[in-house]
Amino acid sequence: RKEVEQDPGPFNVPEGATVAFNCTYSNSASQSFFWYRQDCRKEPKLLMSVYSSGNEDGRFTAQLNRASQYISLLIRDSKLSDSATYLCVVNTNAGKSTFGDGTTLTVKP
Amino acid sequence: DTAVSQTPKYLVTQMGNDKSIKCEQNLGHDTMYWYKQDSKKFLKIMFSYNNKELIINETVPNRFSPKSPDKAHLNLHINSLELGDSAVYFCASSRDRPYEQYFGPGTRLTVT
Repeated sequence: RKEVEQDPGPFNVPEGATVAFNCTYSNSASQSFFWYRQDCRKEPKLLMSVYSSGNEDGRFTAQLNRASQYISLLIRDSKLSDSATYLCVVNTNAGKSTFGDGTTLTVKP
Repeated sequence: DTAVSQTPKYLVTQMGNDKSIKCEQNLGHDTMYWYKQDSKKFLKIMFSYNNKELIINETVPNRFSPKSPDKAHLNLHINSLELGDSAVYFCASSRDRPYEQYFGPGTRLTVT
């Protein structure tokens, strides 16, 4: 079993749609969680941190469920510019970062 | 100003050669990383350094040797390059572990 698992997709949605991604992790000692966005042939860029209380940044909402060991990302009112690969990241306090394999999102007109 | 920079951006070389990739960050971070992203786009951590000390080495062949001359630099030297080393190598840094990481633009290595 992989340490971090994501549904690879692809997710193909129309503009304006709401789309949700989930990511599960196996290491219960994991301490911090993030969502990154990676555009084609570019570096991953931090999208948002994920907290137990949940956090929201505009159209994006991230949540963490420690009991079930998963994190989620919700994108509302999808834009064409949201098309990218979304990576979840799970860190331990020892400094190990494990990236999910990514979920590909394509938003169509 | 670029926060995390890597050189070179592209590297094409033949099997058996030795090459180095350099990384510098101007964010004042204590922790730096090297990742490999293969043709299937999977991103895997290779090394992590904290204050110039190696803290993570993820079963990477001995042909790969990271060197951190100071907190702002983490270089990657690769000996005896193999075809399977072809990938994009990303450097990243973070304030400390396990905080959010900031990535460099990547070095696309092609071994022929």
